[in-house]
Amino acid sequence: AQSVTQPDIHITVSEGASLELRCNYSYGATPYLFWYVQSPGQGLQLLLKYFSGDTLVQGIKGFEAEFKRSQSSFNLRKPSVHWSDAAEYFCAVGILTGGGNKLTFGTGTQLKVEL
Amino acid sequence: KAGVTQTPRYLIKTRGQQVTLSCSPISGHRSVSWYQQTPGQGLQFLFEYFSETQRNKGNFPGRFSGRQFSNSRSEMNVSTLELGDSALYLCASRTDSGANVLTFGAGSRLTVL
Repeated sequence: AQSVTQPDIHITVSEGASLELRCNYSYGATPYLFWYVQSPGQGLQLLLKYFSGDTLVQGIKGFEAEFKRSQSSFNLRKPSVHWSDAAEYFCAVGILTGGGNKLTFGTGTQLKVEL
Repeated sequence: KAGVTQTPRYLIKTRGQQVTLSCSPISGHRSVSWYQQTPGQGLQFLFEYFSETQRNKGNFPGRFSGRQFSNSRSEMNVSTLELGDSALYLCASRTDSGANVLTFGAGSRLTVL
């Protein structure tokens, strides 16, 4: 069965500092990988996705992620964090099953930004 | 283009009652999925509907059910509510079966007392 691990439950960074959120997945086939962000009381907003091809993917709000098959990782990065980036971030792996698909999410990383 | 609309946004029920949540997908999207989000279990897949047919079901008891109408709108129902059913229920839609991107609604926050 597929699984996603986000080892950092909480991360605090200073505004303007760089950010890297870790994500490791377990899945037997080629994964579809996603990063979503959730602000308090809101749903999930897609930051970026990896389906195939270039292993460095660009997303919205200046985020990027790199797929490393050898490490089963899909870490999210941002060179300079803004206070508005404070939120919870979820990594997910999507699988095709039963003619449809479903996402398996990690437990999330809560990002706090210090001014 | 309107996003995924979920109603109601907030509701409070008591144990033993039942609840129905509604989801209107993005226009043109035929697949609707439901997820439960709780502090203890995180985000868990409930079920997916495509063209009024349930395609996948997560590991939830039979008290959790859903359906999809011909206009792609979906409802989920939880019967005989338990305290542990308190959660944010998220609906998501996508264009078709396959590895498409899910667009999520803002969720329905259910509190069971």
